Formats: sequence, structure tokens, C-alpha cells
Amino acid sequence: AQSVTQLDSQVPVFEEAPVELRCNYSSSVSVYLFWYVQYPNQGLQLLLKYLSGSTLVKGINGFEAEFNKSQTSFHLRKPSVHISDTAEYFCAVTRNSGNTPLVFGKGTRLSVIA
Amino acid sequence: DAMVIQNPRYQVTQFGKPVTLSCSQTLNHNVMYWYQQKSSQAPKLLFHYYDKDFNNEADTPDNFQSRRPNTSFCFLDIRSPGLGDAAMYLCATKIEREAYNEQFFGPGTRLTVL
Repeated sequence: AQSVTQLDSQVPVFEEAPVELRCNYSSSVSVYLFWYVQYPNQGLQLLLKYLSGSTLVKGINGFEAEFNKSQTSFHLRKPSVHISDTAEYFCAVTRNSGNTPLVFGKGTRLSVIA
Repeated sequence: DAMVIQNPRYQVTQFGKPVTLSCSQTLNHNVMYWYQQKSSQAPKLLFHYYDKDFNNEADTPDNFQSRRPNTSFCFLDIRSPGLGDAAMYLCATKIEREAYNEQFFGPGTRLTVL
């Protein structure tokens, strides 16, 4: 089975500062990895995903993430955040074959301070 | 142009009074999911459909049922809501069951149980 740990439940950061949201996963098989964002009272929206190939994945809204197999990590980064990035961010994993469901982490609340 | 629509957005019910939440999609996706998300927690998969093939998660309570009368619509029935069932309920769709495909989420229905 797969599992996801998001190490920080809350991350406050000043506007225009860089941010990194950490995600570690556990799996005995190869996986696909995803980051979703959830704005207040809304559903989840895909930011980016890693399937294979280049370990640096670029997503929407200026976010990127790096897959590190040896450290079983998939940290999300943005070089300069905006107030509008304030939201809940979820890392998710699934095995890369078959029809297993996504397993989500508990989420990290990013608060951007003006 | 909403692609996954959930109605109502907010639902209040009384303890033990049956309630139905609805989800519709304009994407013609084969797979539909229902998730339960409690405050400050990760979404938890309740069940999913691949076409009309119903898949129940092992720990989904019997109190929760689902119907998918056609490709576009899916319903979540809670037969006797308890206080612990108060949560956000998220519907999601996916074009095919393969793990690399993106899930598209609706905005959710927030259920309050009095």
C-alpha cells in the first residue's frame, strides 16, 4: 500500500517570498505523484503530476515539484508567492499500474501574508 | 463552464433524516468518485464507479449508498446521517481508470447534521 506524509500542516510566508511544501511518500512499487490545490469552499484542482521522465515537473500558477526517488520525496516549490496562493495543498500518490485509488496526504495550509 | 457540478453546495439535515447529494458531469468521463473530507483532513474515498461497475471501499459505512443512473449523474445517499457524517463531500471524475489520468473535482457539498 502507498502512504503520503506532508510534514507541515501550516506554512505562513510573506508575499513574494519563496516557499517549499514538503511531501514524502512510501511505496514498495513505482508510483505516480500529484499535487492538488484546494481554495476555500471549493474542490481540488490539479497543480502538477509526475508520471515518468524528467524529475522536475512544472505546473500551473508558477509551481514546480521535484521527484526524488532516493529520498522518496516530491516537494512543491514556488519562487515568489502571491496572496492568491493562500489555500490548502494536498500531495497524493498512486501506484503506476492498475486502478488503485489516489492516496492523499493530510494537506498543508499555505497562508501568504501581505 | 463548470464540468463537474454538485448540488446543493450546502445541505443541512437532521440527525437520522435521509439525505441525497448529487453530482453531474459534462465531461463524459467513465469514472466517478465520491470522497468525504472532514475539517482539516485529507479527502477519503468512499466509492467509485467505472461505468456502471460499482466499487465500494472496505471501510465505507453501510449507511452510505450510491447510484449512477447514467454516465452524467451520480448520487450519494446517506440513509441515517449521524453527527459524525458532517463533512464536505466531493465528487470527482476521470476519463478512464488508468492511474495516470487526472481526476476532475466538483466544488463539493458541505453537509451539516443537526
